[in-house]
Amino acid sequence: SAVISQKPSRDICQRGTSLTIQCQVDSQVTMMFWYRQQPGQSLTLIATANQGSEATYESGFVIDKFPISRPNLTFSTLTVSNMSPEDSSIYLCSVVGGTAPNTGELFFGEGSRLTVL
Amino acid sequence: AQTVTQSQPEMSVQEAETVTLSCTYDTSESDYYLFWYKQPPSRQMILVIRQEAYKQQNATENRFSVNFQKAAKSFSLKISDSQLGDAAMYFCAYYSGAGSYQLTFGKGTKLSVIP
Repeated sequence: SAVISQKPSRDICQRGTSLTIQCQVDSQVTMMFWYRQQPGQSLTLIATANQGSEATYESGFVIDKFPISRPNLTFSTLTVSNMSPEDSSIYLCSVVGGTAPNTGELFFGEGSRLTVL
Repeated sequence: AQTVTQSQPEMSVQEAETVTLSCTYDTSESDYYLFWYKQPPSRQMILVIRQEAYKQQNATENRFSVNFQKAAKSFSLKISDSQLGDAAMYFCAYYSGAGSYQLTFGKGTKLSVIP
């Protein structure tokens, strides 16, 4: 199993500011994923980050709002830009897990809980 | 588009008893994967159990088992001998196997365990 560390674990931010969330994995992984978990809601995939290429964003998410970096095979960042209260969520980093390929099994970080005032 | 529905926002169980969490899903695919994930309060989300749709046998992991009814598109989780550490949010999730790793999650069921 992979150990995934996220920073910050929680933060309170002001409207209009930006915050960068870091995700560090203890092993090299090709694909890293960023999920959003809004209060009382399920998880929604924001984007897939592959090292050496642009992130692939899901419908409803754009690079200007959620820029992602993936400088190497163990690290990624997600920035939430120009925040509004609607961005208050838990943001989760995840990587592919399991011993069999393409089973959909994921390992998750502990999440970063953002509150925007 | 696939959807995953968890109709029980909250459940409670007495310690040492058995509880079943419900999940239904909608898909036109014949091969796919289903998961139950556990998210304890302020802690990391972890995989509880996985079921491949092509397997008729229900998956089992220690005290956790599923009742997979493919025709009914139902995927319930049974927790036997419930323990205090089982208290968490439980998410049912679907994956089509398309390679994008875009999982579709239900809204979750909050399980409380009563001592």
